[in-house]
Parts: sequence; C-alpha cells; structure tokens
Amino acid sequence: EPEVTQTPSHQVTQMGQEVILRCVPISNHLYFYWYRQILGQKVEFLVSFYNNEISEKSEIFDDQFSVERPDGSNFTLKIRSTKLEDSAMYFCASSLTPSADTQYFGPGTRLTVL
Amino acid sequence: AQSVTQLDSQVPVFEEAPVELRCNYSSSVSVYLFWYVQYPNQGLQLLLKYLSGSTLVKGINGFEAEFNKSQTSFHLRKPSVHISDTAEYFCAVKEYGNKLVFGAGTILRVKS
Repeated sequence: EPEVTQTPSHQVTQMGQEVILRCVPISNHLYFYWYRQILGQKVEFLVSFYNNEISEKSEIFDDQFSVERPDGSNFTLKIRSTKLEDSAMYFCASSLTPSADTQYFGPGTRLTVL
Repeated sequence: AQSVTQLDSQVPVFEEAPVELRCNYSSSVSVYLFWYVQYPNQGLQLLLKYLSGSTLVKGINGFEAEFNKSQTSFHLRKPSVHISDTAEYFCAVKEYGNKLVFGAGTILRVKS
C-alpha cells in the first residue's frame, strides 16, 4: 500500500540554524500538508499546498517557515532560524483531493532545537 | 471557530472488554469528522470518517463511531478490544478548506 515517507526521523539542531524536513507524498496525490505536535499538545495544522502554491496556512506559519515542492516527488518544510519553541513532531500528509478526502500521514520527524 | 474535545486523556481497559472513546466538537456549520490512530513510532492512520448519510460509521479493525448532531459528538466504539489496539486515538474535524483540527488524543491501554 502506498505511504507517505518522511526524513529524517529525528533531527537535532542548534537554535538559530536552518532545518529542512523532507517528505515524499503518495505519488498520485495533489494536495500536501504539514502539521506539528509539540510534546503534550494537540496536532496543529501549519500549511496546505497545491499546484505549487500555498492554499491555506495557519497563524503559526510565519515568515520563518516555507514550503517547496522542488521536484516531482519531494515536499519540504524549511525553518529558517529555529527557536526552542519549534521543537515538535512534524507530520507531512497528502491527499488526492481536498475537502472530504482522506489525508494520509507520514510517520513524522521529531525536531529538537537546543 | 471549530474545536475538538476528547474527554479522556487515557482509557485503560481489559482485553475483550468493550470501549468507548469520547469526542465532542464545536462548529457552526456542517463538518466532516475523522478518527485517526497512531501506533508507536508510526504516522496517523485513518480509522473511519463521517462525511454525510448514515450516522453510524464503520471503520477498520472493528471500530465504529456514531455521529450525533444534536450532541455534537462523534464517539468511537469497539465491542471487544485486543492488546494490539493499544495506541493513541485522535478525533479530528474539518469545515471548509483543507485543514484538520485535532483533539488532544486519547491513549487506549489494553491490559491482559
């Protein structure tokens, strides 16, 4: 069964450094998402992406964050200058269509900012 | 604004006993409702979803959920749990647009 994959599984970085989290969505899916879960808190929506554009973003997704689909298979989340409060599990998801369609999630990348 | 409340952070239950995981949501419009499960070191996997129609929705692994519009609830049930059902369960709601809004999660611990 097709699945969403994410790399790395765990990333440790120093405050102020840039990080790029990588995701490979399901191959025929057209909509891509990033969510995050800070330890002990809810899973929160960050951004959705379609047709090489951001279609929706949350208040969390400020200028420090960016997303990109650099080729036909990868979908990346970049954090330009990490802060301690960016430490969280980051989940990538994809769906064939938006709205009622199921979003399929990857296993997550645990980001630790020291 | 939409929000989801999962009333129990942890639910311990013995193997082969029934279980109900509770979920309430708030929204001023029609919504789509989802239950996801997360096993250790894995991503979120869809258990079931309610889009429209019959209020009783059946999902994978013997789980089912009932949509109750008047009580704004979408409780998850299983008549007989197995050790392998031990996981964290997330209720989520979607209004317009793309984003899912999640509850805080309920850890189901099945004991032998």
